[in-house]
Amino acid sequence: DQQVKQNSPSLSVQEGRISILNCDYTNSMFDYFLWYKKYPAEGPTFLISISSIKDKNEDGRFTVFLNKSAKHLSLHIVPSQPGDSAVYFCAASGGGSQGNLIFGKGTKLSVKP
Amino acid sequence: ETGVTQTPRHLVMGMTNKKSLKCEQHLGHNAMYWYKQSAKKPLELMFVYNFKEQTENNSVPSRFSPECPNSSHLFLHLHTLQPEDSALYLCASSRPGLSSYEQYFGPGTRLTVT
Repeated sequence: DQQVKQNSPSLSVQEGRISILNCDYTNSMFDYFLWYKKYPAEGPTFLISISSIKDKNEDGRFTVFLNKSAKHLSLHIVPSQPGDSAVYFCAASGGGSQGNLIFGKGTKLSVKP
Repeated sequence: ETGVTQTPRHLVMGMTNKKSLKCEQHLGHNAMYWYKQSAKKPLELMFVYNFKEQTENNSVPSRFSPECPNSSHLFLHLHTLQPEDSALYLCASSRPGLSSYEQYFGPGTRLTVT
């Protein structure tokens, strides 16, 4: 059973608007969460992370929100740009296995000009 | 360019062949990882090496054999693979300990087993 779920395989957003990508997890031992971005023919690149002791982390246009009680995190991109079009992976770690990341299946974001 | 290179980028092999995938990182990291990404599935962790020692083997079949001769190089030796092993194989590296969450990935090797 998947411990990290990204239930939307794809998302289409107009340039300049907000993109919201969602991720749910089942393991309450997870204490660190990350978002990775992947372009075709490239490996995933680290985007932003959040520790379970926080509920928000912001880096420029990217903000990650964590709701521990709901076991839910989201990535907000505002304003969205065409160059943000990529596959976004949510990942989680914890429970004593440092560095062992559990990934979701990814959400393909398309930002239309 | 993330500082992690993988060769070859594409590989087609028969089920009786033996081949190896290579990964090299130029970031001074001490932890290295192999992941498998199959179609419509999440990335799956296969192996973890910390300071050249294997610290994780995620129930991977023995037809996949990793080797880490030093902290900068990681190999995945393949033999008698099955068609269902066709996937994108990604290598990653990180600093050990608490910084190990932020992993830097190579571009991957697209493997097709015929």
